[in-house]
Amino acid sequence: QSALTQPASVSGSPGQAITISCTGTGSDVGSYNLISWYQQHPGKAPKLMTYEVNKRPSGVSDRFSGSKSGNTASLTISGLQAEDEANYYCSSYAGTSTPVIFGGGTKLTVL
Amino acid sequence: QVQLVQSGAEVKKPGASVRVSCKTSGYSFTMYGISWVRQAPGQGLEWMGWFSSYNGRTVYAQKVQDRVTMTTDASTSTAYMELRSLRSDDTAVYYCARVLGVYSSSPPGFDYWGQGTLVTVSS
Repeated sequence: QSALTQPASVSGSPGQAITISCTGTGSDVGSYNLISWYQQHPGKAPKLMTYEVNKRPSGVSDRFSGSKSGNTASLTISGLQAEDEANYYCSSYAGTSTPVIFGGGTKLTVL
Repeated sequence: QVQLVQSGAEVKKPGASVRVSCKTSGYSFTMYGISWVRQAPGQGLEWMGWFSSYNGRTVYAQKVQDRVTMTTDASTSTAYMELRSLRSDDTAVYYCARVLGVYSSSPPGFDYWGQGTLVTVSS
C-alpha cells in the first residue's frame, strides 16, 4: 500500500483560506469515509484536526474543515492564523490487512 | 483527562531490540484500541500497527511485521511495542496513540497521542 499523495508545501497570508489535497486510490480514500487530518508542530506530537472526512474533535476550531471527492480528500483552513503554520498529514483507512496509511505531509507556511 | 505517557529515549546498537511503553490514564483502557506510529528524523508519519479493542487482535504493517510485537497489559493500562533486529533506518520518534471511538473495528483516527520516544540505532 503506497502512501497517500500530498503537496510538499502550501502557503497563504493571514486571513486567507488554503486547501491541502490528499490523493489516494479506490482501495483507500475512494472506498472509505475514514479520512483524518493531523496537525504537527515541530517537536510535538500530531494533533487530530478532523476525522471521518468532515467531523471535528471537541476543541478544534471550525476554521478547519474536511471534504472528499472520489479518491481525493481535502483539508481547508479558513481565516489563516500564524499558529496554523505547521505540518499537516492526512490518513485513510485502507482495509483490514493494512488499516492505516498516511500521506507524506504538507508544510503550511503563513506568510 | 486522557493521558498517554511514554518511556524515555533509548540508544541501541544494530541488531538489538527495544521496548517502548505507553502508560495510559483517564479512560477505560480496554474499550479503546492503541496504535503505534513512528517518524524518522525530518520525515513523515509511518503507521506500524494497532491493537484492536473490538476483537483483541493486533495487525502490523507489512514493513515491520516480522520484527515487531505489540502487547497490552490491562492491569496497568499500559501498551508496549517491541522492535527487534534494529537497523539504522529504525531511528525515529515512536508514538503511541489512542484509536478514536469505543470498540472501533476500523480506526477512524487517533485522538490522543503520547509525547513520543526517540529511539536511536547507532553502532
